[in-house]
Amino acid sequence: DAEITQSPRHKITETGRQVTLACHQTWNHNNMFWYRQDLGHGLRLIHYSYGVQDTNKGEVSDGYSVSRSNTEDLPLTLESAASSQTSVYFCASSAGASSYNEQFFGPGTRLTVL
Amino acid sequence: RKEVEQDPGPFNVPEGATVAFNCTYSNSASQSFFWYRQDCRKEPKLLMSVYSSGNEDGRFTAQLNRASQYISLLIRDSKLSDSATYLCVVNEGYQKVTFGTGTKLQVIP
Repeated sequence: DAEITQSPRHKITETGRQVTLACHQTWNHNNMFWYRQDLGHGLRLIHYSYGVQDTNKGEVSDGYSVSRSNTEDLPLTLESAASSQTSVYFCASSAGASSYNEQFFGPGTRLTVL
Repeated sequence: RKEVEQDPGPFNVPEGATVAFNCTYSNSASQSFFWYRQDCRKEPKLLMSVYSSGNEDGRFTAQLNRASQYISLLIRDSKLSDSATYLCVVNEGYQKVTFGTGTKLQVIP
């Protein structure tokens, strides 16, 4: 069965360190997304990609970067982790360009920055 | 005004009750609408899409009111397993998707 996976599931790091969160999907979806979820804010879009070599900034992109070298993966990098980036991070994917396409979410990565 | 607004709840209802949630959105040009369900510490999962003509799936009914810019979710005969947070999702076009902060439902035995 197709799926979307994230790793690690839990990560504790220190302020100032570079951290990369992995996202891998086997749906063969063109579109991939990174969100963070914090109490009182809901899911907020960090970066998204509509295909290989395409990346776009979302609502809360400062301090984060992504790259899309193949269809399956969209790693999220925190250049210099800050305590404000402590959050739960969800990766998602969807097919095609229709606004009715469902987004499928990975299980999430819980990141703590000390 | 937030782009997508939901009452955070919690809605505490007894088993078998009917409960309804509303969600308002600010962009009148929004194209598509969804309800997602999120269990505690889990990922969101699509519950149902919301069409202009309404949408029913078993005990769940979703409605769209474009004139007043809100969508609703009705759950009939609530089950314990319905306890979750329900996220309202609005798509403004080509995957510009905005999530509400969610409404928490607790179904009580």
